[in-house]
Amino acid sequence: ETGVTQTPRHLVMGMTNKKSLKCEQHLGHNAMYWYKQSAKKPLELMFVYSLEERVENNSVPSRFSPECPNSSHLFLHLHTLQPEDSALYLCASSQASGGGELFFGEGSRLTVL
Amino acid sequence: EDQVTQSPEALRLQEGESSSLNCSYTVSGLRGLFWYRQDPGKGPEFLFTLYSAGEEKEKERLKATLTKKESFLHITAPKPEDSATYLCALGEDSNYQLIWGAGTKLIIKP
Repeated sequence: ETGVTQTPRHLVMGMTNKKSLKCEQHLGHNAMYWYKQSAKKPLELMFVYSLEERVENNSVPSRFSPECPNSSHLFLHLHTLQPEDSALYLCASSQASGGGELFFGEGSRLTVL
Repeated sequence: EDQVTQSPEALRLQEGESSSLNCSYTVSGLRGLFWYRQDPGKGPEFLFTLYSAGEEKEKERLKATLTKKESFLHITAPKPEDSATYLCALGEDSNYQLIWGAGTKLIIKP
């Protein structure tokens, strides 16, 4: 595997479910990110991890919970989501936090019913 | 407040018809201006970084330029495979976060 891989690619969940998104990077990068992408809106940064420490949390609701067990893996735990949380969730990595050259995964398309 | 605006929202061209996409920005201190390409159902793919006014970068049919207020992505003699959404992002020198534009959807008809 190369680059940044995300699973699952598609997820449908009810508002009371608990699910997790997974991201793995094979680039040896030190920073990993979660972004939310909604139709016709700019990318929204949710979380940033640098060397496994969370360095940024952009006022994201607590129903989204990130986890970074090591520099290659990133999770986004989801619980009691709202329909407006339906979006494409993108994971990215970069050599260091603050870099502008991000490598993105293909995203997880989330639908909340 | 730092800001990024992309125009047009969508652009339809015939194959071979050259044009430009615009990314206007306001920033107190520019760390870099970044261009990405995003195909449907995929994550953005990095294209270029521009650091200072007057700088230009080229890749195949794409050329990115930068002034103090805007960046242009020029596409010369485009082909249908150039169809995608093009995103620009602004890096400000006192904040490592990127500020993203909403993108321009480019459609090239054969």
